[in-house]
Amino acid sequence: SYELTQPPSVSVSPGQTARITCSGDALPNQYAYWYQQKAGQAPVVVIFKDSERPSGIPDRFSGSSSGTTVTLTISGVQAEDEADYYCQSADSSGLLWVFGGGTKVTVL
Amino acid sequence: EVQMVQSGAEVKKAGESLKISCKGSGYNFNDYWIGWVRQMPGKGLEWMGIIYPDDSDARYSPSFQGQVTFSVDKSIKTAYLQWSSLKASDTAMYYCARHAIFGVAITPNYFDPWGQGTLVTVSS
Repeated sequence: SYELTQPPSVSVSPGQTARITCSGDALPNQYAYWYQQKAGQAPVVVIFKDSERPSGIPDRFSGSSSGTTVTLTISGVQAEDEADYYCQSADSSGLLWVFGGGTKVTVL
Repeated sequence: EVQMVQSGAEVKKAGESLKISCKGSGYNFNDYWIGWVRQMPGKGLEWMGIIYPDDSDARYSPSFQGQVTFSVDKSIKTAYLQWSSLKASDTAMYYCARHAIFGVAITPNYFDPWGQGTLVTVSS
């Protein structure tokens, strides 16, 4: 099996920066994708291919990669960013796709 | 507008069978893989697998292989997730989602858009 590890929770004050990490052995060779899931809603992609942002996603969302860790950064956090965030990637073979356990972002 | 619309909530008893649906619109349904994702109450997302509508090629996560079956009906642009014998542990929200990349060559990528989810409740 293959796992992606995320911190369970991150708390941040409005206007500050939230950073969410996702670690996995295959991340140097596989892209990561990030989803935002607000309460009672379906997930929405906010970052693809480690650092690209889909149209319509605010530019305060950014992604980066370094070795076996990828990071989602939310700059200038707003109350509406309070949600669960999940990373998604694949094992080294590309055949097993997985999600990280999710990180709950709380805006204080 | 590309949309995935799922069937409504289901309440079943353990041992019963069930088939839930996901209808795609606004794009060429046959040419994009469709994924299924489970979310148990209060828990995270779990990738169940994917199916290619044009030829019904299906790939299952090892955790779900043999537990569920994916199928499609191209004529009505609808994908299905089914169980032959439900367990209480199948209680969850189930999402379908369109794979981001056009075509049969399957490489890891993201899912967009997602359906609204189908809540399945199984009582013992």
